[in-house]
This record gives sequence, structure tokens and C-alpha cells, in this order.
Amino acid sequence: DVKVTQSSRYLVKRTGEKVFLECVQDMDHENMFWYRQDPGLGLRLIYFSYDVKMKEKGDIPEGYSVSREKKERFSLILESASTNQTSMYLCASRPTFRGRLYEQYFGPGTRLTVT
Amino acid sequence: AQTVTQSQPEMSVQEAETVTLSCTYDTSENNYYLFWYKQPPSRQMILVIRQEAYKQQNATENRFSVNFQKAAKSFSLKISDSQLGDTAMYFCAFEVSTLTFGKGTMLLVSP
Repeated sequence: DVKVTQSSRYLVKRTGEKVFLECVQDMDHENMFWYRQDPGLGLRLIYFSYDVKMKEKGDIPEGYSVSREKKERFSLILESASTNQTSMYLCASRPTFRGRLYEQYFGPGTRLTVT
Repeated sequence: AQTVTQSQPEMSVQEAETVTLSCTYDTSENNYYLFWYKQPPSRQMILVIRQEAYKQQNATENRFSVNFQKAAKSFSLKISDSQLGDTAMYFCAFEVSTLTFGKGTMLLVSP
């Protein structure tokens, strides 16, 4: 089974702190994604990566950055956390399109609270 | 820009009954993929069913089936013989290059 893990299930940080959210997948997937999930808004794409050292902005990249130094690991960085970044963060991965579009495999999520 | 609309924020059904969750989307693309994902309470999001837009036949996975109406841009999910374990948030999603999710429908299955 594909396994996507996230470093923390719950995290509490203070305004202005630099925050790192880590995601690791064990299936050699090329594509990795970061979403935030808010009630009534569904999931919104923050950043994604097609391969190591590659990154693309999603729909809501402001206030975030990412790092992908190794294929299995995709990190989301909040440079200076703010209260409006309090949310559930979901990581996902999937193989590259090869004649078929694969589904995304999701991690358990990190519930981040910024106070 | 693609948009996905789920018009039912919450639904309730009793065990063994059938329920249909609605989803509409808006796009100018002709080739795309549609998905239903399920997120049980405090558990990971998983795929329920997938549909390729170029396929006319509706996808089915055991008790789950879709009604895909391409011209109407509609992609509803039917759950037959509902079970307690079907209680979850259900997200409809659309993809050309990246996934766009609807806001979700919370389905509660009661005994």
C-alpha cells in the first residue's frame, strides 16, 4: 500500500514563527502536492512539484514556500506564520501520467493552529 | 478557471438505503478527469471512484456508481446499500492539470 506520512498531526505555533511541515511518501512517486483544507472551502492547492527540485505555484501560494530536495520528501514552509494560516494541511502524491491519470494518495493531515 | 459545485453541504441516510450526492462543474476543456474522494472522520482521504471524460460508460466500484452527464457537466455519486462506514465527507474533484475540489458534502449514515 502507498503510504504518505506527515510529520505532525497537530501543531501549535506563534505568530511570526517559521513553520516547517514535512511530507514523506514511500512509493517513488514523482508528483507531490500541498493543500489546505478549511470548512466550507474544500481543499485548495498551495504548491505542487513534478520532480525533485521542481515546484509550481497552486491557487493560494501567498505566504508559503516549498522545498523538494529528495524525491520522497516535500516540505511546506510558512516563512512567518499568521493567524489566517490556521488550517488543516494535507499532503498528497501520485505517479506521473503514463497513459493514465492516477489518483492522488493523501497523508493524514496536519492541523496547524497559529496563535 | 475550473469550478466544482456541490450543492448539498450535508445529507443523511439510513443504513441499507440508497443516496445520491450531486456535483456539477464548469470547464471549457474537452479532456479531463473526474473523481469522488471520501474523507472519514479523523481519517485519511481516499479515492472512491474515477471517471475519464472521454468514456461514455459510467464508472462503478461495488456499491458506488456515478451518473456522468458530460453535456450537462454533471457528475453525481450514487451509494447503494449504505453502510455506517460510509459516514464521511465526500469531495467531488475535477482535473485537467491539477485537481480542483468542490466544498464537500457531509454524509451521515444512521442505523
